[in-house]
Amino acid sequence: GAGVSQSPSNKVTEKGKDVELRCDPISGHTALYWYRQSLGQGLEFLIYFQGNSAPDKSGLPSDRFSAERTGGSVSTLTIQRTQQEDSAVYLCASSPGTRLAGNTIYFGEGSWLTVV
Amino acid sequence: AQTVTQSQPEMSVQEAETVTLSCTYDTSESDYYLFWYKQPPSRQMILVIRQEAYKQQNATENRFSVNFQKAAKSFSLKISDSQLGDAAMYFCAYTRTSYGKLTFGQGTILTVHP
Repeated sequence: GAGVSQSPSNKVTEKGKDVELRCDPISGHTALYWYRQSLGQGLEFLIYFQGNSAPDKSGLPSDRFSAERTGGSVSTLTIQRTQQEDSAVYLCASSPGTRLAGNTIYFGEGSWLTVV
Repeated sequence: AQTVTQSQPEMSVQEAETVTLSCTYDTSESDYYLFWYKQPPSRQMILVIRQEAYKQQNATENRFSVNFQKAAKSFSLKISDSQLGDAAMYFCAYTRTSYGKLTFGQGTILTVHP
């Protein structure tokens, strides 16, 4: 696609349920990132993928959060046993190369998760 | 830990006028990147401008320019000839990594009045 695509755009789930958020990066982009945007915490880094491996997952807030990337393309962020504090916009981003020099990071429009 | 501070929660400007958004950051590193991102209601973060810390020259992109004061750890964004389409939330961001692990400020909401 022309840009970073995320689905679903909006998701309402009940507390305790599991959710999966999907990210389709721009074709050919090696680097992929997940960020979370919430009213209380602002914008936070979650995880960085280089190809299919995640050399930096230091931002995942708890073991209920996990992410994978397959085929060097699509990534899925999974939140197990959702809590109300998980309510946020989850933003995915991708970049042509793994180094910032000479590369721009492109963001998607996010998945808005509401836990009720 | 690195922190990024945007002290102006909201700013407003008249169309065609100039506005400056402030950003300060805290780091002990000498090599790093700084960014300004724009987030319109669509939620998509759009890169406005970037600055490499080793470059002394301030970055410019058309109507957007920065005032990078490394010693003062200040990175302000100047928008000239403001347009209605500039209305958005603006985020300042920092990273010392070679990849895109960004630390964002809290954001400044910019309103442009016709």
